[in-house]
Amino acid sequence: SYELTQPPSVSVSPGQTASITCSGDKLGDKYASWYHQKPGQSPVLVIYQDSKRPSGIPERFSGSNSGNTATLTISGTQAMDEADYYCQAWDSSRGVFGTGTKVTVL
Amino acid sequence: EVQLVESGGGLVQPGGSLRLSCAASGFTVSSNYMSWVRQAPGKGLEWVSVIYSGGSTYYADSVKGRFTISRDNSKNTLYLQMNSLRAEDTAVYYCARGGGSGSNLFLDYWGQGTLVTVSS
Repeated sequence: SYELTQPPSVSVSPGQTASITCSGDKLGDKYASWYHQKPGQSPVLVIYQDSKRPSGIPERFSGSNSGNTATLTISGTQAMDEADYYCQAWDSSRGVFGTGTKVTVL
Repeated sequence: EVQLVESGGGLVQPGGSLRLSCAASGFTVSSNYMSWVRQAPGKGLEWVSVIYSGGSTYYADSVKGRFTISRDNSKNTLYLQMNSLRAEDTAVYYCARGGGSGSNLFLDYWGQGTLVTVSS
């Protein structure tokens, strides 16, 4: 079955840039989406179609996808961005989530 | 406004059954693909199942043969019938609306989740 791998944790200082990777076989041939989830809350879509932002998602969130790796970048990270982040792709009509990355804003 | 409200979770013994419901408003369930996603305590998200607008259904290997996804168009509601439940099925179950089409798929709206606990 298809697998997506993320680093368990990423630390970033306020105002700096955080990058979260998501690796999977030929992931660049698929579309990647990204979700964040704060404790006790439901996941929220922050990036779809590799790099598009839904309405209401700040411009500091951006995404890219090429080769075997998709990347979520948070520019000018704020304390409110501290959360768990998950990538997702679809393979053979089935959804697959990444292993998740905890972003800590120090 | 799009809203998804799950219900039906609770405590069930191993081997038991449970049916989750997801009442939708603000859009038509049958016109979108819909998914169930679960999250075990302290763990990451796990995709469980999808039903496409045409009625095709797919399942994660971990639940295939035990869980059934369905929808009632007249009630605009999504369901997940869970049979032969195991301790490892303990999780918060979310329903989510699918956005996009073709190969561009994503989950744009999520419910608040309902907790299923499988324990004797």
